[in-house]
Amino acid sequence: DGGITQSPKYLFRKEGQNVTLSCEQNLNHDAMYWYRQDPGQGLRLIYYSQIVNDFQKGDIAEGYSVSREKKESFPLTVTSAQKNPTAFYLCASSIGWEGVYEQFFGPGTRLTVL
Amino acid sequence: AQKITQTQPGMFVQEKEAVTLDCTYDTSDPSYGLFWYKQPSSGEMIFLIYQGSYDQQNATEGRYSLNFQKARKSANLVISASQLGDSAMYFCATSSNTGNQFYFGTGTSLTVIP
Repeated sequence: DGGITQSPKYLFRKEGQNVTLSCEQNLNHDAMYWYRQDPGQGLRLIYYSQIVNDFQKGDIAEGYSVSREKKESFPLTVTSAQKNPTAFYLCASSIGWEGVYEQFFGPGTRLTVL
Repeated sequence: AQKITQTQPGMFVQEKEAVTLDCTYDTSDPSYGLFWYKQPSSGEMIFLIYQGSYDQQNATEGRYSLNFQKARKSANLVISASQLGDSAMYFCATSSNTGNQFYFGTGTSLTVIP
């Protein structure tokens, strides 16, 4: 079955630690995205990647970093510079970058900073 | 940046009845896409329906239809014959045809009453 996997489902981190969230897709999609969702809010774009070895900042990229070394993988690192990292993180992918394609989402990772 | 407004934080509907969820948007792009997603309590985002800004006819997908009024910048979702499984958060989103960066509204919580 094709789809997007995110791991882990729940993640706890101590303040000051970096943590990496995994996102893998086997849909052969070119574009991938990371979103953050806070309670009672919509999704906000952190980073996106149109193709391998290329990525761009979204609206709230400060304190986050990404890499896109393989087409199927787009890991997100939440660094200690992110002031308020506790949130629900969603990874998505789409066939292409043009704005007519639906985005397919993974199940999400809930990050809690202790 | 584009802006999406969903003015109904919570809605209730009787099972088997129809319900309309409101969405207005603000964009200066000449061409754009409109999307609706469902988010159950489990957290994953499920694609429901897409409307292109140049599409003449309103989009339909099974029990979902999109009431698109371009002049009013309105893209309301209509769910017919509501089912208990329709209880979830619903998000409206737009993208530009120059890039698949999505902008999401804050969502509407729908509760279907037996």
